[in-house]
Amino acid sequence: AQRVTQPEKLLSVFKGAPVELKCNYSYSGSPELFWYVQYSRQRLQLLLRHISRESIKGFTADLNKGETSFHLKKPFAQEEDSAMYYCALKGTGFQKLVFGTGTRLLVSP
Amino acid sequence: KAGVTQTPRYLIKTRGQQVTLSCSPISGHRSVSWYQQTPGQGLQFLFEYFSETQRNKGNFPGRFSGRQFSNSRSEMNVSTLELGDSALYLCASGYQQGYEQYFGPGTRLTVT
Repeated sequence: AQRVTQPEKLLSVFKGAPVELKCNYSYSGSPELFWYVQYSRQRLQLLLRHISRESIKGFTADLNKGETSFHLKKPFAQEEDSAMYYCALKGTGFQKLVFGTGTRLLVSP
Repeated sequence: KAGVTQTPRYLIKTRGQQVTLSCSPISGHRSVSWYQQTPGQGLQFLFEYFSETQRNKGNFPGRFSGRQFSNSRSEMNVSTLELGDSALYLCASGYQQGYEQYFGPGTRLTVT
């Protein structure tokens, strides 16, 4: 069964501090991992996906198959990064997208 | 391109009633997925449709059903509403299954 765990409900940091949002997954095959973000009063939107290996808004995430993790990182947090972040996993083939419970990131000035 | 639209945006129903929610995907998108979002359970997958066929189903009772029309628009229906069905119902569309999903604003359902 596919499972995504985000252990932190809330992560509070100061502007300019490094940020790491944790995501661990459980899946026996080769998963596709995503990070979605929901800013206040906005729709849920895709932030990045592991296969594209992009850096979006300064965020990066590396898939670590050994540790079954896909942590989201940013070296210097900005106030506009405050939002709800969801890690999601899709199995091989036409499998459903499974979301973690989300982590609220709060960046204070 | 217009984004995913969902109607209605807000709905208040009484226990035992039924409700139908509608989702219009982005033009050209053929995959539509539905999710239930609650503070306690987070985002839970309901079902996914592609080319009018249900391709995936989540772990929800049979009271939850859906369908997709030939124009890719989708509806979901919840019968015999329970208080626990109060949630934000999100619809997402994608070009195909497995592609990036674009989310709608959601329908806030309150069951009293």
